[in-house]
Amino acid sequence: SQQGEEDPQALSIQEGENATMNCSYKTSINNLQWYRQNSGRGLVHLILIRSNEREKHSGRLRVTLDTSKKSSSLLITASRAADTASYFCATAGTSYGKLTFGQGTILTVHP
Amino acid sequence: NAGVMQNPRHLVRRRGQEARLRCSPMKGHSHVYWYRQLPEEGLKFMVYLQKENIIDESGMPKERFSAEFPKEGPSILRIQQVVRGDSAAYFCASSPLGVETQYFGPGTRLLVL
Repeated sequence: SQQGEEDPQALSIQEGENATMNCSYKTSINNLQWYRQNSGRGLVHLILIRSNEREKHSGRLRVTLDTSKKSSSLLITASRAADTASYFCATAGTSYGKLTFGQGTILTVHP
Repeated sequence: NAGVMQNPRHLVRRRGQEARLRCSPMKGHSHVYWYRQLPEEGLKFMVYLQKENIIDESGMPKERFSAEFPKEGPSILRIQQVVRGDSAAYFCASSPLGVETQYFGPGTRLLVL
């Protein structure tokens, strides 16, 4: 079964607004990563947060991790039309190398 | 430094034929991973390889699928006797030793007629 479940499945916002995506998982993890995928393209790594971290920032991205609730959130501030893409969370467990991906959130940012 | 390269980008096969997908990792990366993405779904792990070794093949179907990463040359994902259900995008990723971030290629889109 899929480890990560993302919420919402689709999100539509206006440029300049913030976008928040959530991810839940089921088993213990070493780290959780967020990736972006533009339509028909490969995945681009955005940010990695380790199981002993609670919050991490990178530019307009803010990621939180709550291991007690087995959940993470990705916040994109001041969104731009170029942020339109699918966003996936992926968890790394005890088996090094294997990432387990969620179903993804489709983000549409309207100019 | 070129990124992860995959070829072909698109591959059309008829049922029963063989499909060979190639992946050249980024320079200096000794670990390769293959994932499959069905339409409207997330990626599913298939196999993790180091040079000349399969480390984790827990996501590989038991039949018809095989993968290798030889000492020289690209990693190959081979699908024998393809069926329509094999139609998907196949992504390769690579990483250096000890780095958890994976760098993805553009994918190969396989269509089985």
